[in-house]
Amino acid sequence: KQEVTQIPAALSVPEGENLVLNCSFTDSAIYNLQWFRQDPGKGLTSLLLIQSSQREQTSGRLNASLDKSSGRSTLYIAASQPGDSATYLCAVNRGGAQKLVFGQGTRLTINP
Amino acid sequence: KAGVTQTPRYLIKTRGQQVTLSCSPISGHRSVSWYQQTPGQGLQFLFEYFSETQRNKGNFPGRFSGRQFSNSRSEMNVSTLELGDSALYLCASSLTGTGTYEQYFGPGTRLTVT
Repeated sequence: KQEVTQIPAALSVPEGENLVLNCSFTDSAIYNLQWFRQDPGKGLTSLLLIQSSQREQTSGRLNASLDKSSGRSTLYIAASQPGDSATYLCAVNRGGAQKLVFGQGTRLTINP
Repeated sequence: KAGVTQTPRYLIKTRGQQVTLSCSPISGHRSVSWYQQTPGQGLQFLFEYFSETQRNKGNFPGRFSGRQFSNSRSEMNVSTLELGDSALYLCASSLTGTGTYEQYFGPGTRLTVT
């Protein structure tokens, strides 16, 4: 059974810092891994999708890496801003159907 | 292009009642998945529909059901509501039914069972 873990559960940093969020999964047989952002009481916003054949993806200040063999992914946020405050979730898709297995998320607070 | 829409956004129901939630995917998307989000369990997969067929189902009781229409819109139904069904219900759409495409989520329906 696929399990996804995100550490830390919460993180608070001053504005301007670069930071890394971690995601690990137990079964390396995945199709892809997706990072999402969720603001309180809202739906999920897709940030980055990494296919199993890829090592990393970049979008603006965000960079996500994937190491399938070790079951790990990281989301790097450069020059953090207060608007980056949200819960960040990673999810893996391990089958042919669209079924995502989510981690519990990291609640990120950027302090002005 | 419009995003995924879900209606209603908020619902309050009483134990024992039933409820139907609706999801309209992004135009051209044929796969719709449903998830339940609670503070204790996080996000859990309910089921996925592709071309009007349920392709995958999560570990939820039979009170949870769904369907997809020919225009890819989907509904989920929960019968005999329990207090523990209070949650944010999210649907997601994707271009196809394979696992290689990005999923886009709607804003969710907040269900409160009293």
